[in-house]
Amino acid sequence: GENVEQHPSTLSVQEGDSAVIKCTYSDSASNYFPWYKQELGKGPQLIIDIRSNVGEKKDQRIAVTLNKTAKHFSLHITETQPEDSAVYFCAATGTGFQKLVFGTGTRLLVSP
Amino acid sequence: DSGVTQTPKHLITATGQRVTLRCSPRSGDLSVYWYQQSLDQGLQFLIQYYNGEERAKGNILERFSAQQFPDLHSELNLSSLELGDSALYFCASTVGDPSYNEQFFGPGTRLTVL
Repeated sequence: GENVEQHPSTLSVQEGDSAVIKCTYSDSASNYFPWYKQELGKGPQLIIDIRSNVGEKKDQRIAVTLNKTAKHFSLHITETQPEDSAVYFCAATGTGFQKLVFGTGTRLLVSP
Repeated sequence: DSGVTQTPKHLITATGQRVTLRCSPRSGDLSVYWYQQSLDQGLQFLIQYYNGEERAKGNILERFSAQQFPDLHSELNLSSLELGDSALYFCASTVGDPSYNEQFFGPGTRLTVL
């Protein structure tokens, strides 16, 4: 079945720096790749997603890139702020597109 | 607020017991997904229901079962509980069946098995 690997597991940056989180997936048939942000004590919330027919997508300070050939996708956060501190999960559609398979998460800490 | 509600927020019980977790999806959403999040673990997909029917199964133990009712709320039943079942349990909902629609997550139920 689908397997999603996510790196790094923790990431510490200074406010204003950029942060990059990378994921690889195994199922070449996957065609939907969302990113979720989970703040302490809350459920995950979608922050951006990308479909397989697009190579890059931006939304203000957040961008996602997809390399289908290499089967990896990345989240880029520019001009980080303390409120960006959270756990970020990548995901990919599994076999039959009936479920999402999540990475193990990246704990991002943005220091003022 | 995602519009997805889960009850109870916290649940403390003993090994061997049975509990029921409840989820109400967003208004209009037909699909409900259940996930387990253990300490330092990602989100493990358990099961999906669409309009009352089971659509996909993940790594759900035989001791666990779920159903979706005609009013579209869903319940996850966990029986013969073990210490390792302690985790956060999330449900999520989407409008349609395919998983490539945004999933809206509830606040979760924290289960502690003593």
